[in-house]
Amino acid sequence: GAVVSQHPSWVICKSGTSVKIECRSLDFQATTMFWYRQFPKQSLMLMATSNEGSKATYEQGVEKDKFLINHASLTLSTLTVTSAHPEDSSFYICSARDPSTQYFGPGTRLLVL
Amino acid sequence: QKEVEQNSGPLSVPEGAIASLNCTYSDRVSQSFFWYRQYSGKSPELIMSIYSNGDKEDGRFTAQLNKASQYVSLLIRDSQPSDSATYLCAVNKINSGYALNFGKGTSLLVTP
Repeated sequence: GAVVSQHPSWVICKSGTSVKIECRSLDFQATTMFWYRQFPKQSLMLMATSNEGSKATYEQGVEKDKFLINHASLTLSTLTVTSAHPEDSSFYICSARDPSTQYFGPGTRLLVL
Repeated sequence: QKEVEQNSGPLSVPEGAIASLNCTYSDRVSQSFFWYRQYSGKSPELIMSIYSNGDKEDGRFTAQLNKASQYVSLLIRDSQPSDSATYLCAVNKINSGYALNFGKGTSLLVTP
């Protein structure tokens, strides 16, 4: 199947700092990527849909100014958590569509102290 | 009503038995249905997709879809301890470009 990578795999940061997470489709081009978040013992919740060359579409309740998404190329989408706080600590997972199946990246575990 | 519902379990089956996992969804116009397996601390991996009513078999896995009842299931035959994981049911999110709504997952434990 298609391969999606994420970097970094885990990050620990201080409250108030910004963290950037990269999502790459390694062997296919993805016009659409998705960002999900998973809290412990909860399911994956869609945060936003990232569209190459245009603005991301955010789900209700997700602050677009806090979670900045950039999809500058067909193989790369980035999620920046700005001014991170402890409640942003979570498992962030991206996925890319090829063409009707979603392939998930390995996830980024964020811990905000 | 949650959009995708699953029994959280845990579901415990002995090695070699059939594990049956169930899922219901609320949006009647949903078209695409998926089962993902997630090991602790890892991201989901796709097991099966199903789009039409009936059964779809792939190795030890069989997905069943009943759109009239808004019900999807996954059968795992000859269960192995390595099948122990959380199984997530996912349904396409309408008007969202193939994004998925996930259930909370069913924890499966296969005992030797």
